[in-house]
Amino acid sequence: AQKVTQAQTEISVVEKEDVTLDCVYETRDTTYYLFWYKQPPSGELVFLIRRNSFDEQNEISGRYSWNFQKSTSSFNFTITASQVVDSAVYFCALRIASNTGKLIFGQGTTLQVKP
Amino acid sequence: ETGVTQTPRHLVMGMTNKKSLKCEQHLGHNAMYWYKQSAKKPLELMFVYNFKEQTENNSVPSRFSPECPNSSHLFLHLHTLQPEDSALYLCASSQDGGGTEPNTEAFFGQGTRLTVV
Repeated sequence: AQKVTQAQTEISVVEKEDVTLDCVYETRDTTYYLFWYKQPPSGELVFLIRRNSFDEQNEISGRYSWNFQKSTSSFNFTITASQVVDSAVYFCALRIASNTGKLIFGQGTTLQVKP
Repeated sequence: ETGVTQTPRHLVMGMTNKKSLKCEQHLGHNAMYWYKQSAKKPLELMFVYNFKEQTENNSVPSRFSPECPNSSHLFLHLHTLQPEDSALYLCASSQDGGGTEPNTEAFFGQGTRLTVV
């Protein structure tokens, strides 16, 4: 069975602090994809990143960075120098290659960035 | 119009009403999805359509009835709902690689906030 766990339900930081959102996944498949989505108060899920299981190279995009470690089945997301606009719910998701399009989501982490 | 558009954004309905949620995608994708987001629960996949054919029904009660007339439009017909069906219903689309290419990431609409009274 596949599962995604985001143990942090809510995180509150002060602007300009760095914050890391944890994601741990479970799957027996050798080929799979991992995603992070952001859900602002408006409701839509905004795609942030996709990683496939064969690519463990970490990625940086502006203030965002992702650390993928197959050894610990983790795909953590770090926001550097957080801003108030980063306040949202962040979801980690898993898709196995053999399953057409189906995403398995974690429960989400609510991030509040205070000015 | 861009991306994935859902209407209405908010809906309040009684338990005996019949209503429909609409989703339209302008991305040229061939797969569309309905997800349900309830308070304090992970997003749950409800239905998957690939090339207008339903490929997955995640044990959804029959009071939810999907319809996909073409690859750009997806509906969710609602009837005799229960208060516990109140949730945010999200539509998404992606390009299904057909097994030879990986699917693209899913793009989501803003959702319909449904309240059943």
